[in-house]
Amino acid sequence: SQKIEQNSEALNIQEGKTATLTCNYTNYSPAYLQWYRQDPGRGPVFLLLIRENEKEKRKERLKVTFDTTLKQSLFHITASQPADSATYLCALDSGYSTLTFGKGTMLLVSP
Amino acid sequence: DSGVTQTPKHLITATGQRVTLRCSPRSGDLSVYWYQQSLDQGLQFLIQYYNGEERAKGNILERFSAQQFPDLHSELNLSSLELGDSALYFCASSGGITDTQYFGPGTRLTVL
Repeated sequence: SQKIEQNSEALNIQEGKTATLTCNYTNYSPAYLQWYRQDPGRGPVFLLLIRENEKEKRKERLKVTFDTTLKQSLFHITASQPADSATYLCALDSGYSTLTFGKGTMLLVSP
Repeated sequence: DSGVTQTPKHLITATGQRVTLRCSPRSGDLSVYWYQQSLDQGLQFLIQYYNGEERAKGNILERFSAQQFPDLHSELNLSSLELGDSALYFCASSGGITDTQYFGPGTRLTVL
């Protein structure tokens, strides 16, 4: 069956460092992958979309890579700030523009 | 602010009852999605409507139903509620295929 795995343990890093979050998937061949940010009790907010034919996408301090051979996406936040603390969800295209979400990884950036 | 509105914000009800959650998509978006988020399950896709028609179904229980009206707002009906239905329910909208989804603030349902 289709499976998306994100590290369930929180990632703790210091302000100014680069945070790297991982999303692995099995039994999927997604046409695209998206990353969302979710703050406690609030709806997810879209960050980046990367298509299967793209290796890397950047937006300001954010960078996403997509390796369809490894079935893995990496999400990087450079020069991290305490305001970046949140849960980050990866989501894969499941057909008909629906998305299947991973359970997310919590990022904690300490000053 | 995503432009997606959901009402009510909180709902407390008893087991066996029926509730209706309402969602208004962003202006111009034709697709509406419903999700359930509980602590142990993460964000689970329930159902999608596109311009009034059901387009995709996920892990939606038979006790749950939804519809999208001509003005594009959507309602999710949950009946014969059980304790395990307590969760955050999110609605999202998008403008078309592969578009990003814009999520509403959610409705927190508590079943006692």
